[in-house]
Amino acid sequence: QKEVEQDPGPLSVPEGAIVSLNCTYSNSAFQYFMWYRQYSRKGPELLMYTYSSGNKEDGRFTAQVDKSSKYISLFIRDSQPSDSATYLCAMSATGNQFYFGTGTSLTVIP
Amino acid sequence: KAGVTQTPRYLIKTRGQQVTLSCSPISGHRSVSWYQQTPGQGLQFLFEYFSETQRNKGNFPGRFSGRQFSNSRSEMNVSTLELGDSALYLCASSRTTMFSSYEQYFGPGTRLTVT
Repeated sequence: QKEVEQDPGPLSVPEGAIVSLNCTYSNSAFQYFMWYRQYSRKGPELLMYTYSSGNKEDGRFTAQVDKSSKYISLFIRDSQPSDSATYLCAMSATGNQFYFGTGTSLTVIP
Repeated sequence: KAGVTQTPRYLIKTRGQQVTLSCSPISGHRSVSWYQQTPGQGLQFLFEYFSETQRNKGNFPGRFSGRQFSNSRSEMNVSTLELGDSALYLCASSRTTMFSSYEQYFGPGTRLTVT
């Protein structure tokens, strides 16, 4: 079993929709969580960083961590065509060795 | 503030050769991590350096090695290249210290093709 599981999609939504991206994990020691956006042939761009459980909001993006269910989510409100990319979740127990999901491919249709 | 830079951006090598990739972290960041990204396996952790010491290591063979210099710049080396080493190699830097952990910022990557 992989440390981090992420549905690869692809996910296709109309512009303006709310997008929900999710990851599950098996290691209960994970306490650092990140979400990245990666455009084709580019390096990942950090979107959200959270420690332990709870919610964090930044503009159109909201990250949720449910440690009891070993489940994290990223919500994108009012999705835009420029949000079309691959979204990667990452998590760590120590904060200096991260395990990544395989990524979810998102397309926002104008 | 300048981001993480990686050189070269593209590289083509032949099986059996060796290669050295370079990474310059964001100014003030002392932690540098390296990852391999392939379509089949996604992003896989290679190793992490902090203050010139390898602090963590992933499950890669000994052909993959790295080092960090006193200015926090890092290099990774792959010896005896195999076709399966073709990948995007990503470097990430963080202001993580011995006692506190922070987010990682990635560079644009070096795309290595082994023929």
